[in-house]
Amino acid sequence: DVVMTQSPLSLPVTLGQPASISCRSSQSLVYSNGNTYLNWFQQRPGQSPRRLIYEVSKRGSGVPDRFSGSGSGTEFTLKINRVEAEDVGIYYCMQGTHWPYTFGQGTKLESK
Amino acid sequence: EVQLVESGGGVVQPGGSLRLSCAASGFTFDDDDMHWVRQAPGKGLEWVSRISANGDSTHHADSVKGRFTTSRDNSKNSLYLQVNGLRTEDSALYYCARDHLGSYPDWGQGTLVTVSS
Repeated sequence: DVVMTQSPLSLPVTLGQPASISCRSSQSLVYSNGNTYLNWFQQRPGQSPRRLIYEVSKRGSGVPDRFSGSGSGTEFTLKINRVEAEDVGIYYCMQGTHWPYTFGQGTKLESK
Repeated sequence: EVQLVESGGGVVQPGGSLRLSCAASGFTFDDDDMHWVRQAPGKGLEWVSRISANGDSTHHADSVKGRFTTSRDNSKNSLYLQVNGLRTEDSALYYCARDHLGSYPDWGQGTLVTVSS
């Protein structure tokens, strides 16, 4: 199975400052069609997961442009330009290239 | 507005069975693959299964293979997860999620399964 490793696991951030989360996969996530199925989800306390980013860098509908995704192959990054209070929660990467699909352990973003 | 509403969770003894359902509305259900994802209390997300749009193809996590079966009824806009041989480690909130072209724009609120003697 593809192992997804996120870092850091805990991320205290001062509101208004940037934040960055890394996600590494144990195998390349490039699919046979050339697409890379790497997703980022946000889970606020007590809520269902919410899609932020798909195919590495495509922002989902309604997602603020302070969120951005980048990377290729086995290394990926989620960046938040200026963290707002509503961004507090847990962030997960997930690969949808190889069966079984797998999630990272999650990164808890909290306000400092 | 897209809605995904899970049901069927409950408290069950080890070795028991349940049938989880996910009622979908607000989109063309038979256009999209569907997934089940679970989350044990206080833990991270775990992908459970996927079924193709026409129901012909399924994939399951190794941890549930042979015990869980995923199906759908496109005439009823419904997704199902038959869970057999339940173990304490299967206790979790089970979410259904819509897979639209490799993206996951919509998730339900989840249905809670508790396995306990």
